[in-house]
Amino acid sequence: QKEVEQNSGPLSVPEGAIASLNCTYSDRGSQSFFWYRQYSGKSPELIMFIYSNGDKEDGRFTAQLNKASQYVSLLIRDSQPSDSATYLCAVALSGYSTLTFGKGTMLLVSP
Amino acid sequence: DAGVIQSPRHEVTEMGQEVTLRCKPISGHDYLFWYRQTMMRGLELLIYFNNNVPIDDSGMPEDRFSAKMPNASFSTLKIQPSEPRDSAVYFCASSLDRDTEAFFGQGTRLTVV
Repeated sequence: QKEVEQNSGPLSVPEGAIASLNCTYSDRGSQSFFWYRQYSGKSPELIMFIYSNGDKEDGRFTAQLNKASQYVSLLIRDSQPSDSATYLCAVALSGYSTLTFGKGTMLLVSP
Repeated sequence: DAGVIQSPRHEVTEMGQEVTLRCKPISGHDYLFWYRQTMMRGLELLIYFNNNVPIDDSGMPEDRFSAKMPNASFSTLKIQPSEPRDSAVYFCASSLDRDTEAFFGQGTRLTVV
């Protein structure tokens, strides 16, 4: 059974703090991992992808992958109110030909 | 490129009516996906095409749903007859490959009353 799990939130952080978003997946053979951001009433947009164990940094965003523990996380440093959105984790699970999306975590950054 | 283009942006229809959603993928993308998003179920894949050919329609909820891709630049998702439980946001997305970054259209918010 294909599963990508995320805490629905909301995760509330003050402006300037680090927001940590987590995602677990069911299949150890998964190879590709993506983080999408979705503002209310808008479409998902890709912000990060990661294929290898470890960290990948892009500006204020860091994706962390731990294949042994089957989780991927997204850290947002110096969180801004404009980061308030729902963050979707997507995984290319082995045995499935397309991305499987989690239900998303809502992030609220308060000024 | 203007990105993935969907129409209409909003659709309100009465139960039992036929609804047709339209999508123009990004030029050069070989894969096209139709998703449905609800609060309860999140983002669900309904069907996807590769080079205009339907590959996997196992996510299509019922025979009332059908999708076509007559050419590389156009796809439709049809619901006939529509029911209130079909109310959701329907997204079309395209990508270069089936498990790489998907680019989403703006979505169609469907309300069936």
